[in-house]
Amino acid sequence: AQSVSQHNHHVILSEAASLELGCNYSYGGTVNLFWYVQYPGQHLQLLLKYFSGDPLVKGIKGFEAEFIKSKFSFNLRKPSVQWSDTAEYFCAVNAGYGGSQGNLIFGKGTKLSVKP
Amino acid sequence: SQTIHQWPATLVQPVGSPLSLECTVEGTSNPNLYWYRQAAGRGLQLLFYSVGIGQISSEVPQNLSASRPQDRQFILSSKKLLLSDSGFYLCAWIAGRGGSEETQYFGPGTRLLVL
Repeated sequence: AQSVSQHNHHVILSEAASLELGCNYSYGGTVNLFWYVQYPGQHLQLLLKYFSGDPLVKGIKGFEAEFIKSKFSFNLRKPSVQWSDTAEYFCAVNAGYGGSQGNLIFGKGTKLSVKP
Repeated sequence: SQTIHQWPATLVQPVGSPLSLECTVEGTSNPNLYWYRQAAGRGLQLLFYSVGIGQISSEVPQNLSASRPQDRQFILSSKKLLLSDSGFYLCAWIAGRGGSEETQYFGPGTRLLVL
């Protein structure tokens, strides 16, 4: 069965620090990859996604993620975090097969706390 | 523009009581609809999805059920709640036929506490 692992449950950083959140998935076929973010009191929303092409994907608010197929990874990065990046981040995978097309498998999430 | 509503926002129910959570989507037609549960420390788990009226697929066997009585309405129900049903329930939708490249959009969620 497919699964998604996010290595860090809670990350605490100071403003201007660099961020990297790990995400690994288990599925041998073609995958589509997503990062979602949930800011306090807000809806879960899409941060960025990878379907094909350039494995380095740029999303909103200065975030980017790199798909490394050989490592089954899709880590999220930001060079310099801000206090407003405090949120919970979810990695998700969609294997896009058969009747389950569109169904996402989520990781457990990583809470990011940025200290001002 | 499309919007998605969920209610209630928060619910506290005793063990053994019934449950009905509602999700409606505006501004689109024939969406694929999804119910997820987010339990503490366990990420988001897909519970049900629906590709059309009356069509429900279950991903995880449990004491919950789902129904889609109208194109843009998706209901999550239970006849008897368990303590383990506590969690944050999210409804999501995608326009179209659920192709693997389509983005899911999430509602505000319902926080359920079963006591």
